[in-house]
Amino acid sequence: QVQLQESGPGLVKPSQTLSLTCTVSGGSISSGDYYWSWIRQPPGKGLEWIGYIYYSGSTYYNPSLKSRVTISVDTSKNQFSLKLSSVTAADTAVYYCARAGTRAPLDVWGKGTTVTVSS
Amino acid sequence: QLVLTQSPSASASLGASVKLTCTLSSGHSSYDIAWHQQQAEKGPRYLMKLNSDGSHTKGDGIPDRFSGSSSGAERYLSISSLQSEDEADYYCQTWGTGILVFGGGTKLTVL
Repeated sequence: QVQLQESGPGLVKPSQTLSLTCTVSGGSISSGDYYWSWIRQPPGKGLEWIGYIYYSGSTYYNPSLKSRVTISVDTSKNQFSLKLSSVTAADTAVYYCARAGTRAPLDVWGKGTTVTVSS
Repeated sequence: QLVLTQSPSASASLGASVKLTCTLSSGHSSYDIAWHQQQAEKGPRYLMKLNSDGSHTKGDGIPDRFSGSSSGAERYLSISSLQSEDEADYYCQTWGTGILVFGGGTKLTVL
């Protein structure tokens, strides 16, 4: 059974770059059947899609975040990563990684990791 | 623009049934969606994929009490025999080419 686990710093200073990694276990990130996604949830608010990546490296980003987001994949480590630059307090959220099938919904979620942007 | 609209809140009594609604934006009534459940202080859990024809495929371990249906641009999540652990936020989600969209979520209170 595929499992996803987020990791990274829980505290980031304003104007710096937030960096998170999602480790995939129980399956190969290179299987070709899935897109690997990042989603976030600010405190008390709903879910916001950040972007996703295919194992080949093709990426799609939320237009509202596109100028600050980079998602990459490391197939040798079975991981994919998120970088969000020039963060502000508005980027404080729980960040989730998740898997989506091609032309299919998100069907496996990580447990999430809390990132706080504060000096 | 692909948008999903959900009522912010719903409530029903323990043991009763409830039907939550997710509405697709104009021009997108043929889209399939998914329903996710998020209990307090937990991450989301995939419940089911709901097709435009009303057929649905549930995730592993999702009880039979959960079902889905469709009518036009409306997508529904029905929960029968409500239990206390069903109190949660429920999000609908859809996808297009290079895009993934969430509804705003419905907070379900079990009375």
